[in-house]
Amino acid sequence: SQQGEEDPQALSIQEGENATMNCSYKTSINNLQWYRQNSGRGLVHLILIRSNEREKHSGRLRVTLDTSKKSSSLLITASRAADTASYFCATSLRETSGSRLTFGEGTQLTVNP
Amino acid sequence: GAGVSQTPSNKVTEKGKYVELRCDPISGHTALYWYRQSLGQGPEFLIYFQGTGAADDSGLPNDRFFAVRPEGSVSTLKIQRTERGDSAVYLCASSLEGGTPLHFGNGTRLTVT
Repeated sequence: SQQGEEDPQALSIQEGENATMNCSYKTSINNLQWYRQNSGRGLVHLILIRSNEREKHSGRLRVTLDTSKKSSSLLITASRAADTASYFCATSLRETSGSRLTFGEGTQLTVNP
Repeated sequence: GAGVSQTPSNKVTEKGKYVELRCDPISGHTALYWYRQSLGQGPEFLIYFQGTGAADDSGLPNDRFFAVRPEGSVSTLKIQRTERGDSAVYLCASSLEGGTPLHFGNGTRLTVT
């Protein structure tokens, strides 16, 4: 079963607006990562936040993590049409070896020019 | 090449046939992963290699699925007696020594008719 669940499933906004996507998970984690996937392509790593971190920034991306609520959010500021893609959260579980990731079902983001 | 390469990009086969999917990881990456992604879903873990050995194969759905990585570089995912339910995009990823981030290929779209 999927560890992560994203909401909303789909989000449509205008260029320049901010986009917020949320992810919830069920078990203890080592870290949580966000990936982006353009249609017909592989996933691209965006940002990683560790279980002892609460917030992290990278360019126009801001990720928060609330381990008490087992949830994370990804904020994309000043969105661009090129941000149109599917966004997935992925958790690395404390109990498992290597970097096996468990992905959520994703949020499809559409940024209209 | 600079990225993870997967061949073929598309494969159509008949129910009951055998297929092999190939993955060329980034040079020097010791960890290699196979994931499966159905339409509208997030990637689902199949198997993880550290070097030549399968460190975690708990995601393989049944004994029709098998993967090898004989020289610790290229990997082949093998599916016997294919079923229509096997239709999906099969993604390969690699990383340095099992760490993050994972670098994904563009996947092989398998269609079983």
